[in-house]
Amino acid sequence: SQKIEQNSEALNIQEGKTATLTCNYTNYSPAYLQWYRQDPGRGPVFLLLIRENEKEKRKERLKVTFDTTLKQSLFHITASQPADSATYLCALSSSSNTGKLIFGQGTTLQVKP
Amino acid sequence: EPEVTQTPSHQVTQMGQEVILRCVPISNHLYFYWYRQILGQKVEFLVSFYNNEISEKSEIFDDQFSVERPDGSNFTLKIRSTKLEDSAMYFCASTETGGNQPQHFGDGTRLSIL
Repeated sequence: SQKIEQNSEALNIQEGKTATLTCNYTNYSPAYLQWYRQDPGRGPVFLLLIRENEKEKRKERLKVTFDTTLKQSLFHITASQPADSATYLCALSSSSNTGKLIFGQGTTLQVKP
Repeated sequence: EPEVTQTPSHQVTQMGQEVILRCVPISNHLYFYWYRQILGQKVEFLVSFYNNEISEKSEIFDDQFSVERPDGSNFTLKIRSTKLEDSAMYFCASTETGGNQPQHFGDGTRLSIL
C-alpha cells in the first residue's frame, strides 16, 4: 500500500539556521507533491507545490526539491525564525483531477531563539 | 484573504446520534473536500466533491457518511449513527480550479463522541 514517511522525531534548530525536512514515499508515483504547515488546533496551510517534472521550487525562504528516482522530497527553510515553529506536512496526489491528498504524519519543527 | 469557515468549532454528540458538520468554502471555489485527523495521527482524505457529485471517496467514507451542497455557499458532512471512533478533527477544504491545486483548509470541527 502507499506509504509516506516523514521524520516523526521533532527537529530542533537554532534561529538563523537552515531547517531541512524529509518526505519519503513508497508504492506510489505522485504527479504532484505539496507541503503544508499546521499549527496546533488549526487546519493545514498551503506552502509549496511541485510537479513530478520539476526538480526544485522556491518561495521566499522556502525551497522544495522532488526526486522521483529516490522517491523523496526535501523541504528547506533558510534563515529560520521562532515563528517557523510548527508541524510541516508532506502531501502527495496523482494526476487524476479528484484532488485527493495523501498526507504524511508530519514533522514538528522547533526553532529556538 | 478569503477563508474557509467551519462550524461548529467543537461538537459533542452521544454515540448513535447523527451529526452534521458545516463548511462555507471560498466563494469562487468549485472543488470541495473533507478530511479527518484523529488525535496524534495523520490527516486522512474522506471525500472530494465537484459539480454536485462525489469525485472520489476513501474506504473510510462508507454508508455512514454523506456530503451535500444544499445551497450555493454551504458544504456539509453528515455522519449517521456516530461511533466512538468517529471522534476526530474534521477539516473542510476547497480549490478554485481542478483537483491538483493548493487546497485551502478551514480550522476544523472537533467532533467528540461520548
